[in-house]
Amino acid sequence: SQTIHQWPATLVQPVGSPLSLECTVEGTSNPNLYWYRQAAGRGLQLLFYSVGIGQISSEVPQNLSASRPQDRQFILSSKKLLLSDSGFYLCAWKVGGEQYFGPGTRLTVT
Amino acid sequence: GIQVEQSPPDLILQEGANSTLRCNFSDSVNNLQWFHQNPWGQLINLFYIPSGTKQNGRLSATTVATERYSLLYISSSQTTDSGVYFCAVEGFRGAQKLVFGQGTRLTINP
Repeated sequence: SQTIHQWPATLVQPVGSPLSLECTVEGTSNPNLYWYRQAAGRGLQLLFYSVGIGQISSEVPQNLSASRPQDRQFILSSKKLLLSDSGFYLCAWKVGGEQYFGPGTRLTVT
Repeated sequence: GIQVEQSPPDLILQEGANSTLRCNFSDSVNNLQWFHQNPWGQLINLFYIPSGTKQNGRLSATTVATERYSLLYISSSQTTDSGVYFCAVEGFRGAQKLVFGQGTRLTINP
């Protein structure tokens, strides 16, 4: 069966520090991969999605970036965090029709 | 892009009550999913239902694609049903990405 891993589960970072969140999927090949952010307790905002290695589509212009160095690995990065980057970051994958989410990373920028 | 509206935004019920949550969308879809976000933030897949009716225990869902809406029914509510329920759709012109509604926050009191 397929599983999705995200780490870390929680993260507290100072303003201006870099960020790297990692997501990996097991048990499937060539998935679509997604990064979402939930900032206000409800409502998910799609940040990036990828349909293949090296293929990244950005939905919202901001100081975040994403990379897909391997088929089942998706990384969300920032060179300098802002206070507004605080939130709950969710990775998701899809093969065929149904989309599934990872457990999420709760980021607090102080 | 496609718009998704969920109603009601908040719902407070006593344990044992039944409820109906609604999701309206603005264009034809080839994917519609219902999720439950539990108090720990985990998004749980409830239904993948671009059309038709499905049932899983006390939960059932119906999507009427031609009229652009979906309903989620919860019968004999339990306190563990509390959380936020999201509807998400992928339009035919949506480039393989789900668009989320703002959610319905359900609170079940004992």
